[in-house]
Amino acid sequence: AQSVTQLDSHVSVSEGTPVLLRCNYSSSYSPSLFWYVQHPNKGLQLLLKYTSAATLVKGINGFEAEFKKSETSFHLTKPSAHMSDAAEYFCVVRRVTGGGNKLTFGTGTQLKVEL
Amino acid sequence: DAGITQSPRHKVTETGTPVTLRCHQTENHRYMYWYRQDPGHGLRLIHYSYGVKDTDKGEVSDGYSVSRSKTEDFLLTLESATSSQTSVYFCAIKSGLAGDSSDTQYFGPGTRLTVL
Repeated sequence: AQSVTQLDSHVSVSEGTPVLLRCNYSSSYSPSLFWYVQHPNKGLQLLLKYTSAATLVKGINGFEAEFKKSETSFHLTKPSAHMSDAAEYFCVVRRVTGGGNKLTFGTGTQLKVEL
Repeated sequence: DAGITQSPRHKVTETGTPVTLRCHQTENHRYMYWYRQDPGHGLRLIHYSYGVKDTDKGEVSDGYSVSRSKTEDFLLTLESATSSQTSVYFCAIKSGLAGDSSDTQYFGPGTRLTVL
C-alpha cells in the first residue's frame, strides 16, 4: 500500500530564510507524488508533482522538491520564505491499486512565516 | 481553478436531517471525487465517479451516498446527518489522459458543513 508521512506538523521560519518541509513515502511501485498548498479558508492548490521524470521538480512560487528513492523522501524546499507562504502543505501519493487515480494525503504541515 | 464550483459554501444543519452538497464542473472531466478534511487527517476520499452513473466508494464512505446523472454534476448526500460529519468537504476532478500517470487532481473551493 502507498502512504506518506509528513514529519513535522508545524514549521516556523523567519521571512527570507530557507524552508524545508519533510515528507517520506512508502510505495511498492515507482510512485507519483504531489505537494499541495492550502491557504487559510481556501481550497487546495497544486504546487508541484513528480511522475518518474526528473528527480528535481520545480513548482510554482519558487518551491521545488527532490525525489530520493534511496531515502524514500520527497522534501519540499524554498530558498527564501515570504510572508505569503504561510499556509498548510500536504504531501500526497497516488495510489496504484484499483482504478480511479486515488490519492493518499499526509496529515499536513502548517508553515508559519515570521517577520 | 479548473472550473469547479461547490454549493453551498457554508451550511449549518441539525442532526438527523438530510443534506446534499453539489459539485459542478464546466470542462467535461470524466473523473470526480468527494473528500472530507478534518484536523490531523489531511483529506480522505469519500466517494468518486468515473462517469455518468458510475461511482465507487472511498475509504470513509459510511453514511454518505453520491449520484452523477450528468457529466457536470456530482452530488454528495448525507441521508441523516450526524455531528461526526461536521467537516469541510472538497470536490475534485482529475485532469489528463486515461492511463497517463501524471494525471492530477484539482480541487474546488470547499463546503464547510456544521451538524448541530
